[in-house]
Amino acid sequence: DTEVTQTPKHLVMGMTNKKSLKCEQHMGHRAMYWYKQKAKKPPELMFVYSYEKLSINESVPSRFSPECPNSSLLNLHLHALQPEDSALYLCASSGSNYGYTFGSGTRLTVV
Amino acid sequence: GEDVEQSLFLSVREGDSSVINCTYTDSSSTYLYWYKQEPGAGLQLLTYIFSNMDMKQDQRLTVLLNKKDKHLSLRIADTQTGDSAIYFCAERGLAPLVFGKGTRLSVIA
Repeated sequence: DTEVTQTPKHLVMGMTNKKSLKCEQHMGHRAMYWYKQKAKKPPELMFVYSYEKLSINESVPSRFSPECPNSSLLNLHLHALQPEDSALYLCASSGSNYGYTFGSGTRLTVV
Repeated sequence: GEDVEQSLFLSVREGDSSVINCTYTDSSSTYLYWYKQEPGAGLQLLTYIFSNMDMKQDQRLTVLLNKKDKHLSLRIADTQTGDSAIYFCAERGLAPLVFGKGTRLSVIA
């Protein structure tokens, strides 16, 4: 299995909702990442987990809460989001080999 | 922080070669990558090059790396309409992956 699987593919949520984005990989990668991508912009790093511990938080607002339950799973919990948080949220993983493998993303719309 | 720069747009005719350029600032870069993103889709790793190489060829794709000038290029031979997409240059050093702003490639039939 050489994929990163993200669910759901699309999500519409209200500003008072609580939702979660999920990411799964079975490549044995020990680093996992959340990136946020706005339209026509490059992906921006949000969080990095290394060996299931949060190693980088790029000053992301607390309404985004990451969680890494085990080495294969990465979640992003969302609460009280703003319309400007609407974006494509990409999960990635990397191992000791060369590259980052990205999932196809969750397109989030906050209404 | 580290920076990766790319030109924003490139337009080529079908069948011609496309060359997308990228410059970066991180002296500790170990790997450099080219990702492709089609509209509404995630990122697809096209190819990569290790920093001690100066060229890598993979079918229609040729990557050239000038480490002294910190310049990376991607050449796509016989460009097809299916190659229309945004191409992101990215580098990995001591820090996680840093992306350029992306080059939008338009292929004219």
